[in-house]
Amino acid sequence: DQQVKQNSPSLSVQEGRISILNCDYTNSMFDYFLWYKKYPAEGPTFLISISSIKDKNEDGRFTVFLNKSAKHLSLHIVPSQPGDSAVYFCAASLSYGQNFVFGPGTRLSVLP
Amino acid sequence: SQTIHQWPATLVQPVGSPLSLECTVEGTSNPNLYWYRQAAGRGLQLLFYSVGIGQISSEVPQNLSASRPQDRQFILSSKKLLLSDSGFYLCAWSVEGGETQYFGPGTRLLVL
Repeated sequence: DQQVKQNSPSLSVQEGRISILNCDYTNSMFDYFLWYKKYPAEGPTFLISISSIKDKNEDGRFTVFLNKSAKHLSLHIVPSQPGDSAVYFCAASLSYGQNFVFGPGTRLSVLP
Repeated sequence: SQTIHQWPATLVQPVGSPLSLECTVEGTSNPNLYWYRQAAGRGLQLLFYSVGIGQISSEVPQNLSASRPQDRQFILSSKKLLLSDSGFYLCAWSVEGGETQYFGPGTRLLVL
């Protein structure tokens, strides 16, 4: 049973438009969430995080929104660039510093 | 600065052969260390984590094992590989109680 779900295996977006990647989780005790980006044949790199005391965290073109009542978070990339094409993983933990559970990933393709 | 190394980058092994993948971290002391596997079309699955020398926790029962002979060295092993062991293996580290895990470049394992 997957505790962290990313129901869209892939997403295509035109360059300059907004990319929205979604993540749902089942364990209401999760209270710390991260997004990672992964290029082929490389390890994932950390993008942005959010804790349950917030509903939004922004870093440049990347914004993560958290809706605890819906057990849902999303990553917005504005504007999308071709270099953003990668697999994006959502991860959740029970608390800061605890082990993470990763979602299956969403492959984002930004078309020029 | 901290760096994480994994080798080999690619490995092709016959079914039933042994496996040894090595991961080392530089520039930090007493890191938490992790082994993940990304199978084709699936997300990152945590296999093992270690909070110190000789301390290994297993997340998923399988024919793999891990060892931490030194503070910054983490080894993933198998006595007899199965076809299902094929995948992309990632080592990661974090500071104790840290926010983020930092991933190595990964090892692509193909079992034939």
